[in-house]
Amino acid sequence: RKEVEQDPGPFNVPEGATVAFNCTYSNSASQSFFWYRQDCRKEPKLLMSVYSSGNEDGRFTAQLNRASQYISLLIRDSKLSDSATYLCVVNERGSARQLTFGSGTQLTVLP
Amino acid sequence: NAGVMQNPRHLVRRRGQEARLRCSPVKGHSHVYWYRQLPEEGLKFMVYLQKENIIDESGMPKERFSAEFPKEGPSILRIQQVVRGDSAAYFCASSPLGVQAKNIQYFGAGTRLSVL
Repeated sequence: RKEVEQDPGPFNVPEGATVAFNCTYSNSASQSFFWYRQDCRKEPKLLMSVYSSGNEDGRFTAQLNRASQYISLLIRDSKLSDSATYLCVVNERGSARQLTFGSGTQLTVLP
Repeated sequence: NAGVMQNPRHLVRRRGQEARLRCSPVKGHSHVYWYRQLPEEGLKFMVYLQKENIIDESGMPKERFSAEFPKEGPSILRIQQVVRGDSAAYFCASSPLGVQAKNIQYFGAGTRLSVL
């Protein structure tokens, strides 16, 4: 079983649509959670951290359910510029600081 | 305010040659990480370094790969006797000291290694 699992997609949605991505992680000791986005052949860029209470940044809302080991990202009012691969990322508790990445969910927003 | 700088952006090597990938972290960041991304796959952790120390190399292949982060100069990921399976994008990330709880990492643009 993969440590971080995501639906690979692709998700093809029209502009203005609301789209939700899900992610599950296997290590209950995971401590920090993030969503990164990666444009084609470019570096991952931090989209937002994910907090237990849920957090919102403009059109983006992230949720964390520690009991179910589940993370979600909701994008409202999709823009063409939202087209990218969205990476679910976790960091395990302890001295190791490396990030564990999901394989990503591909989103294409269509005009 | 420069971010993580990696060079070269593209590197072509023939089988058996050596590849050296360089990474200069964000100014003031003392933690460096290397990740590898194979085509159509997610990023995989390779090694975590602080200045002059390898903290965790659990993701590094046992042979041919080495990494360093000297007191002065960039971090280097070195691949000896490259094989076609080493072809991938290699990303470097850095984070500042003290962000223990959140561990936000900033990524460079990557080096794309192609082995002929």
